[in-house]
Amino acid sequence: SAVISQKPSRDICQRGTSLTIQCQVDSQVTMMFWYRQQPGQSLTLIATANQGSEATYESGFVIDKFPISRPNLTFSTLTVSNMSPEDSSIYLCSVRQGGEKLFFGSGTQLSVL
Amino acid sequence: RKEVEQDPGPFNVPEGATVAFNCTYSNSASQSFFWYRQDCRKEPKLLMSVYSSGNEDGRFTAQLNRASQYISLLIRDSKLSDSATYLCVVNTNAGGTSYGKLTFGQGTILTVHP
Repeated sequence: SAVISQKPSRDICQRGTSLTIQCQVDSQVTMMFWYRQQPGQSLTLIATANQGSEATYESGFVIDKFPISRPNLTFSTLTVSNMSPEDSSIYLCSVRQGGEKLFFGSGTQLSVL
Repeated sequence: RKEVEQDPGPFNVPEGATVAFNCTYSNSASQSFFWYRQDCRKEPKLLMSVYSSGNEDGRFTAQLNRASQYISLLIRDSKLSDSATYLCVVNTNAGGTSYGKLTFGQGTILTVHP
């Protein structure tokens, strides 16, 4: 399975600021996925990051709030912009391997004060 | 109705017990199914895929009932290390995409005690 490095592992931020989360994969992948897991909840897909094209956002998520970069086949970033306490969550990047199987980075635990 | 529903539990069972989780899904076009395990403050990890004929991996057995649109996970001879949240995941091939969309259930919390 892919080795996915995600950083930072956690951060505490002030409202109104932005945080960029980085995700590095040890192999080339076409698509990378960004998920959010709010406290006590399951995972919700934010967007799919394709190399060479704009990310595809799920309903309820917009590019202005969660801009994504995908400069190459092994790297992606997710920015949480203009943060509010409601953005406090775990953010996870993931890739698919072996067909439909999903593998995750270790996650970024974000707390917004 | 949620796309994927699970009993959130928690399930508290003694070591050695057998425990079963069910998960229902709403989209009859869903094509593939998985169980993931998530330890506290960790990322989810694939536990096993669920095949139409049912499949077993050691103490874990997964089954799929397409007619009733549910999948199950059975854990036999529970160990303390089985304590975790178990996530039901359903893949539905959305129109216009080749990779499908994975939808996660809210998870079932299992605690195995001595």
